[in-house]
This record gives sequence, structure tokens and C-alpha cells, in this order.
Amino acid sequence: LAKTTQPISMDSYEGQEVNITCSHNNIATNDYITWYQQFPSQGPRFIIQGYKTKVTNEVASLFIPADRKSSTLSLPRVSLSDTAVYYCLVGESGNTGKLIFGQGTTLQVKP
Amino acid sequence: KAGVTQTPRYLIKTRGQQVTLSCSPISGHRSVSWYQQTPGQGLQFLFEYFSETQRNKGNFPGRFSGRQFSNSRSEMNVSTLELGDSALYLCASSPRHGGTDTQYFGPGTRLTVL
Repeated sequence: LAKTTQPISMDSYEGQEVNITCSHNNIATNDYITWYQQFPSQGPRFIIQGYKTKVTNEVASLFIPADRKSSTLSLPRVSLSDTAVYYCLVGESGNTGKLIFGQGTTLQVKP
Repeated sequence: KAGVTQTPRYLIKTRGQQVTLSCSPISGHRSVSWYQQTPGQGLQFLFEYFSETQRNKGNFPGRFSGRQFSNSRSEMNVSTLELGDSALYLCASSPRHGGTDTQYFGPGTRLTVL
């Protein structure tokens, strides 16, 4: 079974770069690795996804090594509004179609 | 484009009752997935529907079921409610079937079982 591990919480200051890593073994070989952001009382919101190497969009970068056993979400120059819970999402190995969310990392950005 | 909508937003039930939750996906999206979110277990995948067929299922008992209509709207039903079913139930829609393709989440239905 796929298993994911994320740090439970992280603290940062405004303007810093934040890197959140999700370890995931036994994931589906043909699925993207996706990251979501969730604010209280809201559903998760898509941030970024990738399959291998590095992906960058207007809000984040995602680094995935060749073995795909981990992924690192990078948030450049965080602001107070980036305080939220961040989840990685992977597919279960064997391409069963089952999806596995990480337990979430609570990021607290301080002024 | 309107986002994913879920009704009702809040629900209180008692043990043994059943409940039906509704999800309307983004227009044009044919895949709807359901998730349960609790403080202890986090976000857990319940099932995915695509073109009115259940395509994938998580590790939940048979009390949890769902269906999808021809207009892609989906309902989730939980029978014989237990206290542990208290959770935020989220649905997410996607243009394509399956996998970790980009999903768009609704605000959720907060179910409290007394």
C-alpha cells in the first residue's frame, strides 16, 4: 500500500522560501503527484502537480526525484496569507485508482 | 464558471439514521470523487464516479455508497450512521477520469452525528 509522510507543522517568516517534503513509497507509476492548499472551512485548492523533475507555476515549484519516492513543494517568498495546511496527493501503487492524501503540513507564516 | 457546489453545508443526524449528500460538479466535468476529512484520519478517499459508473473505491464499509446522474451530479449516502461518521465530506470534480488529475473541491458538508 502507498504510504505518505509529511511534517505535521512548519513555521516561517514573511518573505522566506518554504520547502515542504512528502515522502511516498509504492505509488502508482502512471499518476501525477499533486499538492493542495487548504484554509479552514474550505475545500482543498490545487497548487501544482508534476510527474518527474521540476515543475514551476506562478505560485510554487515542485521537485520530484527520478525514483518518485518523494516530492518537495517550494513556496517562494511566503506571505501571511500562505498560512494554511498543505497536502500531497498520490495514487496507490498497482494503479488501483485509489488516491492517498498525506496527513497535511500546517504552515504558519509569521510577520 | 461556477465552482463545485455541495448541499447541505451542515447537517446534524442521530445514530442509526441515514443521510444523503449532494454534489454538483463544475460544468463539463464528468468525474466526481468523494472524500471524508476528520482530525484523526485526515483526508480519505471514498470513491470516484465517472459517466454514472463507480470507477474506484476506497476502504470504507458498504454503508457508504454513492451514485452519479446523467448530468454528472452526484450523491453520497451513508446508512446506519455511527458517531465516527462525523466529518467533513468533500466532493471534487475533474474533467477526466481517475488518477491524480487536477481536482476542484467543493466547500464540503459538515456532518455531525449525535
